[in-house]
Amino acid sequence: DAKTTQPNSMESNEEEPVHLPCNHSTISGTDYIHWYRQLPSQGPEYVIHGLTSNVNNRMASLAIAEDRKSSTLILHRATLRDAAVYYCVLGFNKFYFGSGTKLNVKP
Amino acid sequence: DTGVSQDPRHKITKRGQNVTFRCDPISEHNRLYWYRQTLGQGPEFLTYFQNEAQLEKSRLLSDRFSAERPKGSFSTLEIQRTEQGDSAMYLCASSPGRDQPQHFGDGTRLSIL
Repeated sequence: DAKTTQPNSMESNEEEPVHLPCNHSTISGTDYIHWYRQLPSQGPEYVIHGLTSNVNNRMASLAIAEDRKSSTLILHRATLRDAAVYYCVLGFNKFYFGSGTKLNVKP
Repeated sequence: DTGVSQDPRHKITKRGQNVTFRCDPISEHNRLYWYRQTLGQGPEFLTYFQNEAQLEKSRLLSDRFSAERPKGSFSTLEIQRTEQGDSAMYLCASSPGRDQPQHFGDGTRLSIL
């Protein structure tokens, strides 16, 4: 099973950019890289996903290393509502979640 | 709201009892997934369906667990003879295709007394 490694926790100031790293050295060629975030007592919420190229959407940007063994989720201006557990997830069909990074945003 | 719906949100039962959870996916999604999440951990894959066919089951899914998706619409997950270790959040997700994002419900939290 593919595995991901993320920092247990990170802290950011409100309105500053946040870079959340993820290592996935055992990624297979067909695995997409997905990012989800989760608030307490809620299901994971989709943030962004990609295969090889960097991706942007209204929520965030995803930077994927050339060898695909790592990726970074970029929140351009953190808000208090971005405080959550962020999961870097690998999979083509079934998903493999790690333990995630708990992001704390300070006002 | 037309997101993934799970019922019930919470279930408390005594050890040894049977429980059944229901998931209603987003209507146009043909893939449906079940995950289990324990406190402080990320979700773990249990099983998935493409339409009514159950295509894969995790080693985590013991013989006491069974999932169905009749007619390829809603799905049920049944746990027979519940044990303490079954206490967890059971999450359902759906997607329109295998390389597409999965959309999760808010889960059913199971507590075994």
